[in-house]
Amino acid sequence: KAGVTQTPRYLIKTRGQQVTLSCSPISGHRSVSWYQQTPGQGLQFLFEYFSETQRNKGNFPGRFSGRQFSNSRSEMNVSTLELGDSALYLCASSLLQERRNTGELFFGEGSRLTVL
Amino acid sequence: KNQVEQSPQSLIILEGKNCTLQCNYTVSPFSNLRWYKQDTGRGPVSLTIMTFSENTKSNGRYTATLDADTKQSSLHITASQLSDSASYICVVSLTNQAGTALIFGKGTTLSVSS
Repeated sequence: KAGVTQTPRYLIKTRGQQVTLSCSPISGHRSVSWYQQTPGQGLQFLFEYFSETQRNKGNFPGRFSGRQFSNSRSEMNVSTLELGDSALYLCASSLLQERRNTGELFFGEGSRLTVL
Repeated sequence: KNQVEQSPQSLIILEGKNCTLQCNYTVSPFSNLRWYKQDTGRGPVSLTIMTFSENTKSNGRYTATLDADTKQSSLHITASQLSDSASYICVVSLTNQAGTALIFGKGTTLSVSS
């Protein structure tokens, strides 16, 4: 069974540009969540999608957005990039049981974004 | 405020030794607690997940404990190996009418040396 696939794995952008990251969840998983990981802050929750609907959103500015497609694949977009957006962006998929998330999170390898 | 605090921030041990990592949380209402292992440059991988009623759960040389009364969890690693060098992240889940949220600790970085 294939794991969570994230693309691209590495990318370099300059300030002011925008970036789109992609995540393909494990087959059958309909819940996809995104996280930003930096050395100082650790893992921080960005947003979670289930059946193409955003269920939860973390405390990030509106420059961070996401969406989920009917095949459960998800994308996140960061516009007007800032130096502080340099981070590892992780996607995770899970089996969500209604409102009670007892499912295990399966993470991808991440997309490492460097903003110059 | 919902928080997860992990200690120590970093730890260095000799191969073959045991170690214990701590996780204290102030999360309510509590749903479950998970420990993840993250190798450098990789995504986190789940080690254990415990609900309110579970006190201990093992996964090979990893044993997690949970004390829901004191809101503390520990991860004990037995007979450490070089491959145990990684970051260990404690994650607490809460579920309320608004949905489910995950509160992450900042992790403990473990280095196992020969």
